[in-house]
Amino acid sequence: AQSVSQHNHHVILSEAASLELGCNYSYGGTVNLFWYVQYPGQHLQLLLKYFSGDPLVKGIKGFEAEFIKSKFSFNLRKPSVQWSDTAEYFCAVNYKRTGANNLFFGTGTRLTVIP
Amino acid sequence: GAVVSQHPSRVICKSGTSVKIECRSLDFQATTMFWYRQFPKQSLMLMATSNEGSKATYEQGVEKDKFLINHASLTLSTLTVTSAHPEDSSFYICSARDPSGGSNEQFFGPGTRLTVL
Repeated sequence: AQSVSQHNHHVILSEAASLELGCNYSYGGTVNLFWYVQYPGQHLQLLLKYFSGDPLVKGIKGFEAEFIKSKFSFNLRKPSVQWSDTAEYFCAVNYKRTGANNLFFGTGTRLTVIP
Repeated sequence: GAVVSQHPSRVICKSGTSVKIECRSLDFQATTMFWYRQFPKQSLMLMATSNEGSKATYEQGVEKDKFLINHASLTLSTLTVTSAHPEDSSFYICSARDPSGGSNEQFFGPGTRLTVL
């Protein structure tokens, strides 16, 4: 069965620290990969996505993610976090072979950035 | 970007009553909308895919008679929780796919928190 794992449940960092959030997905053929962010009191917003091509994807607000096919991973990174990055981050996967647009979500990682 | 709204944002009801939640795409036409459920500290779980003009596709384990979905227009999908019980209390989130962009990106609504007493 398809599944998405985010191993970090809660990450606490000081401002300017570097960030890496892990995301692994179960094998299921060709995938589309997404990272969403949910700021406190707001709805989910797309940070970045990977469909094909360059496995290093750059998104908004200085975030990037790298698709490593051999490791079934799509980790999110940011070299220097800010207090405003405090939010919940969700990794999501769409398995193309299902022929549908279903997204399978990880359990989320809560990021707290201390000023 | 595309905007999706949900109404109401919060609802409290008595056990046994039915509750309707609306999901609207405000600036685009969505042939496909999705309904998710999120329990505290857990992931979003897809409940069903709502297709305009046809029956919804439900995920395994989701009771179609309990969670009625109607997608009567290209900008509106509704989820009705029938005969709600306390275990139905949850955060319900809808999303809509904008087909004009050629991608599979989904735009999410702000969610509806349902509390069944």
